[in-house]
Amino acid sequence: AQSVTQPDIHITVSEGASLELRCNYSYGATPYLFWYVQSPGQGLQLLLKYFSGDTLVQGIKGFEAEFKRSQSSFNLRKPSVHWSDAAEYFCAVGADSNYQLIWGAGTKLIIKP
Amino acid sequence: DVKVTQSSRYLVKRTGEKVFLECVQDMDHENMFWYRQDPGLGLRLIYFSYDVKMKEKGDIPEGYSVSREKKERFSLILESASTNQTSMYLCASSPLQGPEAFFGQGTRLTVV
Repeated sequence: AQSVTQPDIHITVSEGASLELRCNYSYGATPYLFWYVQSPGQGLQLLLKYFSGDTLVQGIKGFEAEFKRSQSSFNLRKPSVHWSDAAEYFCAVGADSNYQLIWGAGTKLIIKP
Repeated sequence: DVKVTQSSRYLVKRTGEKVFLECVQDMDHENMFWYRQDPGLGLRLIYFSYDVKMKEKGDIPEGYSVSREKKERFSLILESASTNQTSMYLCASSPLQGPEAFFGQGTRLTVV
């Protein structure tokens, strides 16, 4: 069965510092991979996605993610975080049926001034 | 701009009431989803629908039902609300070829 693991429940980063949020997945084939962001009290917004091709994908708000098949990972990165990046981040994998996404539990990002 | 719209941002209902949460999408998507989100538990799928009048149970369907009479509208029904259904409810849609999902702004439901 497919699964997604985000090992960090919370991460605290100083404003201006670099960020990496981890995501590992379990899936039998080449997956569709997503990162979403949720600001407090809001719905989820797509940050970026990987379907095929270049394993380094660029997203909105200066985020990027790298697909590493050998490590079953799709980590999210940003070179310099801003206070407005404080939010919860969810990694997801496209399921076999193409109907559903399998979700990680989320990582809450806290920004220190 | 593509949109998924949920009828209420905040809702307070009494125990035992029948509650309707409405979701409308303007992207002509075939698939629609209802999730429940609770702290530390991530997103849990309640029901989804891949066509009008079609529905499939997700991971936590107990206490809920759904209705999809028109392609653009997907309703979640709490037949008899209970306090343990206090939560954030998220609606999403995706095209037939899936699986990229587009989300509404969420409905925070409190059952008292």
